[in-house]
Amino acid sequence: GAGVSQTPSNKVTEKGKYVELRCDPISGHTALYWYRQSLGQGPEFLIYFQGTGAADDSGLPNDRFFAVRPEGSVSTLKIQRTERGDSAVYLCASSLIGTSIEQFFGPGTRLTVL
Amino acid sequence: GQNIDQPTEMTATEGAIVQINCTYQTSGFNGLFWYQQHAGEAPTFLSYNVLDGLEEKGRFSSFLSRSKGYSYLLLKELQMKDSASYLCAVRDNYGQNFVFGPGTRLSVLP
Repeated sequence: GAGVSQTPSNKVTEKGKYVELRCDPISGHTALYWYRQSLGQGPEFLIYFQGTGAADDSGLPNDRFFAVRPEGSVSTLKIQRTERGDSAVYLCASSLIGTSIEQFFGPGTRLTVL
Repeated sequence: GQNIDQPTEMTATEGAIVQINCTYQTSGFNGLFWYQQHAGEAPTFLSYNVLDGLEEKGRFSSFLSRSKGYSYLLLKELQMKDSASYLCAVRDNYGQNFVFGPGTRLSVLP
């Protein structure tokens, strides 16, 4: 596709469940970022991949959050034992390389934990 | 620590000029970015400053003063479609950690 895509667009789950959120970056983009955004706030950085490796995971809030990018393209954000406070829009962005000026954002996945 | 401040809300009239300020304190600096985000949509890139001064791009201009930790986004000839949130972000380390401000919600009135 032409842009960054994320699936699902909406996810409703119960407290304590496990969820996976998927991001398909723009083809050829080596840098990939995950953010989460709460209502009325700016995006909060979670993790940055350069290729297959997590170059900076300092934004992951705790060990319930984990992300992978095994082939340097699609990435999956995994959240274990979800809590109500995890409810937010999870945004993925990609750029050609890590030093590129422009990041292209996907439409996001709205996660609701009941 | 990391801290980016922006006004929460601003209102302006169609056809007018508005300036949205951003102040930042970050442990590193490798560029300041402005993004536009319409309600319910993803952010889209507007501008980038890494050196002091003004960058102009059509109706949008962005200014940076690194010594003051200050930037502004200037929007001219406002249109109704400019009603959106405007996010200021600093790239903290080279190509890695982006720190976003809370965003400024701009309402353009007829």
